[in-house]
Amino acid sequence: SYVLTQPPSVSVAPGKTARITCGGDNIGSKTVHWYQQKPGQAPVLVIYYDSDRPSGIPERFSASNSGNTATLTISRVEAGDEADYYCQVWDRSSNPLYVFGNGTKVTVL
Amino acid sequence: EVQLLESGGGLAQPGGSLRLSCAASGFTFSSSAMSWVRQAPGKGLEWVSAISGSGGSTFYADSVKGRFTISRDNSNNTLYLQMNSLRAEDTAAYYCAKMVWVRAHYFDYWGQGTLVTVSS
Repeated sequence: SYVLTQPPSVSVAPGKTARITCGGDNIGSKTVHWYQQKPGQAPVLVIYYDSDRPSGIPERFSASNSGNTATLTISRVEAGDEADYYCQVWDRSSNPLYVFGNGTKVTVL
Repeated sequence: EVQLLESGGGLAQPGGSLRLSCAASGFTFSSSAMSWVRQAPGKGLEWVSAISGSGGSTFYADSVKGRFTISRDNSNNTLYLQMNSLRAEDTAAYYCAKMVWVRAHYFDYWGQGTLVTVSS
């Protein structure tokens, strides 16, 4: 099965930039999506198709995907960005079909 | 506004059964693929099962294949997950999620989840 690896945690000061990586074998050949999950809440889609933002998601959220690493970038971090973030891909040749990364806890200092 | 409301969770004994439901509104349900995704306490997200808009195609993670059955009632905009032969490791919050199946597959809306606890 396909494996996505994320750092367990990232800490960032308010107003700074947080970068969350998602590693996978030739992940650049796949399409990556990102979800934000705040404590006690359901996940929310923040990035789809590698770098597109759903309506309502601030422009501070951006992402890229190349080689063996996809990256979610949160600029000008705010206290409200504190959450768990998960990357996800679809691998039609794998089971499970839909793979999530292990998740990264973003802590705003 | 898309709304997904799960129900049916609760306490079940090992080897027992539960049936989860997800009532959908705010979009054309019959045109949308749907999934169940679970999250064990303190753990990450794990995809469980998916179904096409028509219900004609279903997919399962190996961890639940043969024990869980996904289905849908498009006339009542409801998604189901029949869970049999439950194990302690099935204990989790179960989320219903609307899917997009264009170019790539992803989950664009999620319900609030229903908690399943498997314990004697």
